[in-house]
Parts: sequence; structure tokens; C-alpha cells
Amino acid sequence: EADIYQTPRYLVIGTGKKITLECSQTMGHDKMYWYQQDPGMELHLIHYSYGVNSTEKGDLSSESTVSRIRTEHFPLTLESARPSHTSQYLCASSEPTGFNEKLFFGSGTQLSVL
Amino acid sequence: RKEVEQDPGPFNVPEGATVAFNCTYSNSASQSFFWYRQDCRKEPKLLMSVYSSGNEDGRFTAQLNRASQYISLLIRDSKLSDSATYLCVVNDYGGSQGNLIFGKGTKLSVKP
Repeated sequence: EADIYQTPRYLVIGTGKKITLECSQTMGHDKMYWYQQDPGMELHLIHYSYGVNSTEKGDLSSESTVSRIRTEHFPLTLESARPSHTSQYLCASSEPTGFNEKLFFGSGTQLSVL
Repeated sequence: RKEVEQDPGPFNVPEGATVAFNCTYSNSASQSFFWYRQDCRKEPKLLMSVYSSGNEDGRFTAQLNRASQYISLLIRDSKLSDSATYLCVVNDYGGSQGNLIFGKGTKLSVKP
């Protein structure tokens, strides 16, 4: 089993609030990712990181920001939540083995903005 | 053109059936390929990597055809527990998506 954890599992919050979704992994993986996924829809990459102090935007435009101060921690922040941010957010890290990079996902945070 | 394309399904099959999924990718320089499984409202989990020579894991067989740029997953003797969405993933070095490109997934529903 992968050791990657996301909190909270579910979050219901009002419009305009600032929120931070936590993601931690204990595997020492350098590369980490945030994906957004609506029910029955595909995964969209919103942020990724190659390691400490590295953050990149993914293909899906997102109003969220990320930081990578420690290898094991990759939090995602929304400064002002809106109903359009309602979605499932999945964090992942990857085990680099040459070309055979394997992703391990956390259980996700289901965010509902009212 | 989508970089990784899959038939969205759903594939509705009876228990014991053999079912095959195909996935095509657009970048001929892609280096490695995977099938992930995602249960409803759960996170994706690696099912198997796809090797050039083809590989098998129990009832599951994955194959790669580089010339035609497609990957396949064959499930034999399908079980109720195989019901899930199967995601084709291509590791695309030098690409813009953090190097991993996900297909939209093919939904499988195995009925008794």
C-alpha cells in the first residue's frame, strides 16, 4: 500500500473562504501532483512539482496555488473558494524508476463550495 | 487530436466474458505505458505496466503495438469485482502534462 495521505476527506465550505487541502507522503518521492476530477469525468492535472521549491502549472487552468517547502508535503490552497471549485481533488506522488514512473494516489478530497 | 484516446464505454458484459479495451496515443516518442483501475468515487490504482513484449498478470493481459501506437488490455473470465473504470496512461517525456497523460477511461460493468 502507498503511504500518501490527504486531508480532509470531505470539505463543505461557503463561498469566499480560504481553504488548504493537505497532501503528505512518506515514501521520499520527489515528484508530486494535484489532479482535479469531476464525477464520471477524466483526471485533469492542475499542478505538479519535481521536488523542493519546484512547482509547475498543469494543463487545466486553476485558481489554486501550491507550495513545496518539504519533500513530503504538497499543500494546495484556494484563496477564495467558489461553487465552480466543487470537485474531487486527488494528490499523487511518483516513484521514479527510469521510464517506468508509477503513480501512487491519495484517497482524495471531495470539496463542495456552497 | 487527443493525446490518449479510449473508448468511453460503458462495456456491459456478463460474468465469465472476455473483454478487451484499446487505447491509442499520438506521440510516437512515448516511452512507457500503464493501465490504471479506478473504482467509483475512489482514487486510481496501478493495475499493470505495459511492456513491449506484452505481459500477463493472471486474467489480465496487456499488449503494446508501437507501430500502430495502441495499447490493449484483455480481461479473461471477468468477475463482478472487475467492474470499474480502466484508465490508459502514457508517460510522455518532454511533454507538458507533467510527463503523464491520462485517457478519459473505459467503464466496465460486469453483470451476474
